[in-house]
Amino acid sequence: EAQVTQNPRYLITVTGKKLTVTCSQNMNHEYMSWYRQDPGLGLRQIYYSMNVEVTDKGDVPEGYKVSRKEKRNFPLILESPSPNQTSLYFCASSPGGSRAYGYTFGSGTRLTVV
Amino acid sequence: AQSVTQLGSHVSVSEGALVLLRCNYSSSVPPYLFWYVQYPNQGLQLLLKYTSAATLVKGINGFEAEFKKSETSFHLTKPSAHMSDAAEYFCAVSGDSGYSTLTFGKGTMLLVSP
Repeated sequence: EAQVTQNPRYLITVTGKKLTVTCSQNMNHEYMSWYRQDPGLGLRQIYYSMNVEVTDKGDVPEGYKVSRKEKRNFPLILESPSPNQTSLYFCASSPGGSRAYGYTFGSGTRLTVV
Repeated sequence: AQSVTQLGSHVSVSEGALVLLRCNYSSSVPPYLFWYVQYPNQGLQLLLKYTSAATLVKGINGFEAEFKKSETSFHLTKPSAHMSDAAEYFCAVSGDSGYSTLTFGKGTMLLVSP
């Protein structure tokens, strides 16, 4: 089954403790992206990647890091999480190369930072 | 730059009534437009998309949307609401390149009463 897999689904952590949210897709997509979803603000892009070793900032990149060492994986790293990073996070992928493609989304990771 | 405005953070309808969710866009290039649905505790699922072919686009679950360039709108409709349609709906516009970002509206929560 074609899908984007995120782990974990739920995570509670303490301020300052480094964490990684994993994202993997099995569709050989070139484009991958991370969004955060907050009530009343919709989805805002954190980082995206157009291919292996190519990443760029989205609208709200502060406090986050990403890497794209393999085509299928695009982990999101919070080096020193803070309470304002409490949010619902989504990873998404797209074949890329055309504006006509939509995204395939993962099921989300609900992060709480206390 | 691209942007999307969804009118109404919440829309309430009775079961069997017409569903109308409004979306207006701004784009510096001919737009590609998308509607996504998010059911509780799930990721986003593509409902339908406009990619410059027919202006009336049919999607899954009986939804459709009409692209109106003169009004810069892409409103989502369904003739008869079902309880299972209760969810949050997001309109999105594609950027101006093949690897472009999707910019999302803030979402509209559809509430369906018996």
